[in-house]
Amino acid sequence: DQQVKQNSPSLSVQEGRISILNCDYTNSMFDYFLWYKKYPAEGPTFLISISSIKDKNEDGRFTVFLNKSAKHLSLHIVPSQPGDSAVYFCAASAGQLTFGSGTQLTVLP
Amino acid sequence: EAGVVQSPRYKIIEKKQPVAFWCNPISGHNTLYWYLQNLGQGPELLIRYENEEAVDDSQLPKDRFSAERLKGVDSTLKIQPAELGDSAVYLCASSSPSLGQAFFGQGTRLTVV
Repeated sequence: DQQVKQNSPSLSVQEGRISILNCDYTNSMFDYFLWYKKYPAEGPTFLISISSIKDKNEDGRFTVFLNKSAKHLSLHIVPSQPGDSAVYFCAASAGQLTFGSGTQLTVLP
Repeated sequence: EAGVVQSPRYKIIEKKQPVAFWCNPISGHNTLYWYLQNLGQGPELLIRYENEEAVDDSQLPKDRFSAERLKGVDSTLKIQPAELGDSAVYLCASSSPSLGQAFFGQGTRLTVV
């Protein structure tokens, strides 16, 4: 039973446009949500997070939105750059991290 | 500041052989995690340590997997004997109570042939 789901295994976006990555969760005990970015042959690196008491957190080109009623969060990247091409993992915490299966983002030049 | 260090980066072994992975967490991080990542999947927790105590090992296949974190710093994860299905990337991560996120090492890619 997957508690954190990323239903899109891949996403392609043109450079300069917005990338929107989505994530759904089922466990209402999750109170902290994170996005990680992973390049090939490297470990995941932390990108941005949001607490359940907020509905938006912004850091430069990256914004995470949380909709608790829908148990949904999304990561917006604008403008997208070719260097953003990577696998993005959504993770949720109720004490320890549970990861989604990832979305491969490809930003086309 | 050095990140989480794992070794080896790659390991190829024959089935039924033993294998061990080593992890050195970020200095001062009390919490250490071992994750398993299969191709096309997200990391799945195997075991979590708070200092030297394993506080969650419910997902660790204890018939063949073992882990230790002596002195609450470095950790080793062992598989004995390895099976073909153990081929995956083994990730180590660490965090401290003041942090919400975990920091990951580069991982060890294990191939069992």
